[in-house]
Amino acid sequence: DAGVIQSPRHEVTEMGQEVTLRCKPISGHNSLFWYRQTMMRGLELLIYFNNNVPIDDSGMPEDRFSAKMPNASFSTLKIQPSEPRDSAVYFCASSFGTGDYSEAFFGQGTRLTVV
Amino acid sequence: SQQGEEDPQALSIQEGENATMNCSYKTSINNLQWYRQNSGRGLVHLILIRSNEREKHSGRLRVTLDTSKKSSSLLITASRAADTASYFCATTGANNLFFGTGTRLTVIP
Repeated sequence: DAGVIQSPRHEVTEMGQEVTLRCKPISGHNSLFWYRQTMMRGLELLIYFNNNVPIDDSGMPEDRFSAKMPNASFSTLKIQPSEPRDSAVYFCASSFGTGDYSEAFFGQGTRLTVV
Repeated sequence: SQQGEEDPQALSIQEGENATMNCSYKTSINNLQWYRQNSGRGLVHLILIRSNEREKHSGRLRVTLDTSKKSSSLLITASRAADTASYFCATTGANNLFFGTGTRLTVIP
């Protein structure tokens, strides 16, 4: 397996534009996490899916953020409209199980810059 | 952070020395994991310790867990330059995987 695949690797966009980040989890994994990493706030859990269903989205910062998982092999994180403070590295991770006794496998991340 | 904090924030040692990083967390956990992140890369899982375990070893890694103090430590023995990275503890509950603030380890050749 190629691991967790995220696209794009880098995204530069203007304030107010819509941004869509994509993630393909490892085949067979049933848990998917979206994280945001910044120097100031570290790694923040944004949302957690289990079996394609959002279980905990309490970390989603604002209504401008939305995430979907239409099937077991694909998830998106959308920001609309984007703002400069959304600039960060966004990671997707997947695991098998509920996460209690499972290691998470991370993608390489998408570095988002909003100017 | 949403759950834990690592201490120290940064650590610089000579190659061959041991490195110890500590993690404190806030709520009850099911298990605790340690991850490593090289600059510009995603996180990589190192080791998992369950809440009913007190110590675990994996190669040059030794992890301890004290649930009464809500703390864990990661010891890397005989460090190498290639161990230079950021190290994070992560706690799992029912529906989450929360990471600490991380320790930046630099191993000087």
